[in-house]
Amino acid sequence: EDQVTQSPEALRLQEGESSSLNCSYTVSGLRGLFWYRQDPGKGPEFLFTLYSAGEEKEKERLKATLTKKESFLHITAPKPEDSATYLCAVQALASGTYKYIFGTGTRLKVLA
Amino acid sequence: GAGVSQSPSNKVTEKGKDVELRCDPISGHTALYWYRQSLGQGLEFLIYFQGNSAPDKSGLPSDRFSAERTGGSVSTLTIQRTQQEDSAVYLCASSLKTGPYEQYFGPGTRLTVT
Repeated sequence: EDQVTQSPEALRLQEGESSSLNCSYTVSGLRGLFWYRQDPGKGPEFLFTLYSAGEEKEKERLKATLTKKESFLHITAPKPEDSATYLCAVQALASGTYKYIFGTGTRLKVLA
Repeated sequence: GAGVSQSPSNKVTEKGKDVELRCDPISGHTALYWYRQSLGQGLEFLIYFQGNSAPDKSGLPSDRFSAERTGGSVSTLTIQRTQQEDSAVYLCASSLKTGPYEQYFGPGTRLTVT
């Protein structure tokens, strides 16, 4: 069964304390892996798309990496404004149609 | 430019009533998606449109749910005979095309069934 699992469920960091969020996936026909950020009461905001194992992308304090079984979102020297829920999602193609599977997210709290 | 808009932002309805949720995608985006997010849960994919066509409706939770898109633009998600378990935030997103393109999400419609 296709599945996306994120860990940890919640993470508290001190400002400047770097860490990584994990997204492990089991899916057939992977077309892309996505990272989104979601603030309370808002829709998810796109961060990155990764297409193949070995790919890396960076944006400010965030860096996303992809292997054949998992993806990591590395947060370097986080700031309080990085506090949010980070969602991982995969897009797969099966029987000619697309499906989208989201993980349940990692709630990140960065303390000043 | 304008982002994805959804209406209403909040909807409270009585059990057994029908509701319509509306999504206005980003202009020029041919792909449109509906998701449901229950409290403390991840996003549950419901359906996507390529143009006005929905290739796969199997993600809709029950036959009380239906969706349509007209003119390659606005989409409506209809829930008939609402039940308390339908209470959730319904999110709409659009992307330039189907495929591994980033999705832009609307703010959601919070549905409460009493």
